[in-house]
Amino acid sequence: GAVVSQHPSRVICKSGTSVKIECRSLDFQATTMFWYRQFPKQSLMLMATSNEGSKATYEQGVEKDKFLINHASLTLSTLTVTSAHPEDSSFYICSARKGAADTEAFFGQGTRLTVV
Amino acid sequence: ELKVEQNPLFLSMQEGKNYTIYCNYSTTSDRLYWYRQDPGKSLESLFVLLSNGAVKQEGRLMASLDTKARLSTLHITAAVHDLSATYFCAAPPGETSGSRLTFGEGTQLTVNP
Repeated sequence: GAVVSQHPSRVICKSGTSVKIECRSLDFQATTMFWYRQFPKQSLMLMATSNEGSKATYEQGVEKDKFLINHASLTLSTLTVTSAHPEDSSFYICSARKGAADTEAFFGQGTRLTVV
Repeated sequence: ELKVEQNPLFLSMQEGKNYTIYCNYSTTSDRLYWYRQDPGKSLESLFVLLSNGAVKQEGRLMASLDTKARLSTLHITAAVHDLSATYFCAAPPGETSGSRLTFGEGTQLTVNP
């Protein structure tokens, strides 16, 4: 159990367009989902925490108007990169946690975004 | 602000050798996670260490946690080529049960035949 699926796994978009990435918990309900960004050869940086039914909490330096997060159900969170620029090209990874008391979050397979 | 530091960042070792990766974190945290990442892939959970003195082993990897020293180690025994990957440690801030993690820089391990 505890499978998290991201879609798409790879996406190429043009500068100025928006792209949506989905993160689904397939076999459990996720009260909290996390979105990370990883640039090549670097570590993961937390972008935001989303709780089902409420607004996401963004980390310092992350533009909330650019990276729109929606966690409308207990099994789905979406990250929309708006007005994408080449510098937004990165590996985006989500993770999902079952409940507040759970010690572990489960990671999706990641989405490779390339903005051309 | 929690900072997590790993060393070494790059490790090249021969098959059959032993080595230890260190993970230091700057503020109180009651748990520590170790992950493996293969190129182009997401994270694979290796260990979740939940208390001071915790030790977990899986195959050739053994992880330990010393919360007083704010130090975790990942020990590799008799390395094999399949262990080549990047290893990350991560910790949540403070004494929380959350999974809002701060990651170390990662240790890129290459095991040579």
